[in-house]
Amino acid sequence: KQEVTQIPAALSVPEGENLVLNCSFTDSAIYNLQWFRQDPGKGLTSLLLIQSSQREQTSGRLNASLDKSSGRSTLYIAASQPGDSATYLCAVTGRRALTFGSGTRLQVQP
Amino acid sequence: ETGVTQTPRHLVMGMTNKKSLKCEQHLGHNAMYWYKQSAKKPLELMFVYNFKEQTENNSVPSRFSPECPNSSHLFLHLHTLQPEDSALYLCASSQATGVETQYFGPGTRLLVL
Repeated sequence: KQEVTQIPAALSVPEGENLVLNCSFTDSAIYNLQWFRQDPGKGLTSLLLIQSSQREQTSGRLNASLDKSSGRSTLYIAASQPGDSATYLCAVTGRRALTFGSGTRLQVQP
Repeated sequence: ETGVTQTPRHLVMGMTNKKSLKCEQHLGHNAMYWYKQSAKKPLELMFVYNFKEQTENNSVPSRFSPECPNSSHLFLHLHTLQPEDSALYLCASSQATGVETQYFGPGTRLLVL
C-alpha cells in the first residue's frame, strides 16, 4: 500500500526566505507526482505535475524535483511571500488514482 | 476558479437524514472522483468514475452511494451517516484516469450531528 509522508508538518518563515518542502513515498511504481496548494476552507489547486520520466518541473518561483528511485520529491519556493501561506499537499498517482500526504502548513510572516 | 463546481458548500444533517452532494465539471473531462478530507488525516480517495462507469470503490461504507449520470455530473447520496463522517468532501475531474492532472472543486463541508 502506497504511503506518502510530508515533512515538516508546519513551517513558519519570514518573507523573502527560500524554502524547501519534502515529500517521500514508499512505492516507486508511480505514473506521476503532483504538488497542490490548499487555502483554508477551499479546494485544491494544482501547482506542478512531474511525470515519472521527468526529474523536475518549474513554474515561476516554484521548482519541484522528483527522484523516483529513492521515493522523494521536493518543492522549492523562492523568495517567499505572505500570499504563499497555505497548506501544500504532495500526491502520487500509482495503482490508485491519487495517494496524498498529510500536507505542510506554511505561514510566511510579512 | 476551476471549472469544477460543488453544491452545497456547507451542509448540516442529522444521522437519520438523507441528502445528496452534487459536483459538476465544465472542462469536458471523462473521469470524476470523490475524496474525503477529515481533520488531521490525509485526503482519502472514495470513488472513481471513468466514462460514467465506476472503476474504483476504496472500501467506502454503503451509507455513501455515488451516482454518475453523465461525464459532467457526479453525485454522492448520503443516508444514515455517523458523526465521524463529518469532513470536507472534494470532487475532482481529469481528462482521463491515471496520468492526467486532476482539477478539484471547492468542496462541501459536511457536519453530521
